[in-house]
Order: sequence, then C-alpha cells, then structure tokens
Amino acid sequence: DAGVIQSPRHEVTEMGQEVTLRCKPISGHNSLFWYRQTMMRGLELLIYFNNNVPIDDSGMPEDRFSAKMPNASFSTLKIQPSEPRDSAVYFCASKSGQGPQETQYFGPGTRLLVL
Amino acid sequence: GNSVTQMEGPVTLSEEAFLTINCTYTATGYPSLFWYVQYPGEGLQLLLKATKADDKGSNKGFEATYRKETTSFHLEKGSVQVSDSAVYFCALSDLEGAQKLVFGQGTRLTINP
Repeated sequence: DAGVIQSPRHEVTEMGQEVTLRCKPISGHNSLFWYRQTMMRGLELLIYFNNNVPIDDSGMPEDRFSAKMPNASFSTLKIQPSEPRDSAVYFCASKSGQGPQETQYFGPGTRLLVL
Repeated sequence: GNSVTQMEGPVTLSEEAFLTINCTYTATGYPSLFWYVQYPGEGLQLLLKATKADDKGSNKGFEATYRKETTSFHLEKGSVQVSDSAVYFCALSDLEGAQKLVFGQGTRLTINP
C-alpha cells in the first residue's frame, strides 16, 4: 500500500498568498485528520472528517483556514491569506473504522514557510 | 478533558543503554494508548499500542504496558541503538474524545555511539 500521500512536501510562499495543501488517504480508510506541528505548540489537531463529512473543526485556528474532502480519496487544507505564523509542518493522517483503538497512519507532512 | 504527559527531553544515552520514557495520562473513559515515533524529516509512525488494561504493546525491541492503576504507559527498550534516535510521542484515544488522538509533547531521544 502506498500509505498517506501529501503534496507538496515543501512550500515557501509570501505573506498574503493562498496556500493549498493536498492529501490522499490510504484506500479504504474512512476517517481523515489534519494536524499542525510547531516547536511552540507541538502537534495540534485542526480538523477531521468521517466519510468525507467534517466532524470537528474546533482546532482550525481562524477563518483563514478551510478544509474540504470532496471524495474519499482526496482532501485539501487551504490557508488564505497566509501569514508568517502559519509556518509549520502540516500532517494528514487516515484510519479505518470508528473505534478509538484503530491506528492513525500519518503522511510525510508538508513543510510550510511563509515569508 | 483528556491529556497526556511525557517526561521532558531531550534524552541522551549511549548505545546499548536501557531506555525508559515515562508517559502518564488523564482520561474520562477507557482509552487506547499509543506510542508514535518521528524520525528526522518524516511523519509519525506507529511504534506500538495497547487497547486495554494490562495489555503490553511491543515492536522493534520496544515495550510498553498499559497500567490502569497508575494511569501510565511507559516506553522501554533494553538496549538502544543509534538508529533509535528520534522523537517519541505518547498518545491516547477514547470514545469520550471521539476519534481524536491526544498527544504528549514528545521526547527527543539521541543515542551516541
């Protein structure tokens, strides 16, 4: 299996620009998660989807962030406009099943730098 | 709410030393417990997990036992290698928190040859 695929792996942009991060979950997985990792705040859950439906977006920092999952094999996280404080590594993860015992599988991450 | 506390790092050991990374948790329900490892420049990988009290998870020489009485899930390895250098995250998930993984702050481990 290919695992969770994220693109781009690295993104450098200027403040005010729109940034779109992409994720392809593992085939057959029905839950998808977006996380952000920074030195100051560690790993934060931004939003997660079950069966393509957003379930909890309480971790989304503000209206500049939005996430979509138009189908079971694709999700995007968009930042518009971007700010330097958005610089972080963004991870996508997926899992199958509904139980808390199921393992989340992480992608390699997108390292975002906003200048 | 649910929370996970890990011993603070960084931790530096010599090769073949014994490793313990402490992890304690607070949860309202009966959580599943996980250890993830993150190698430099990579995403998190599941190292091991335990889904009920007294279960022992093990993988690659690492072990952790789910201790409900002490609300702990300490990670141990008898003889570490340079290749074990990474950041280790303890995490929990339970029905109260839906499917969310709650992570500890991570412990950076460096093994010197």
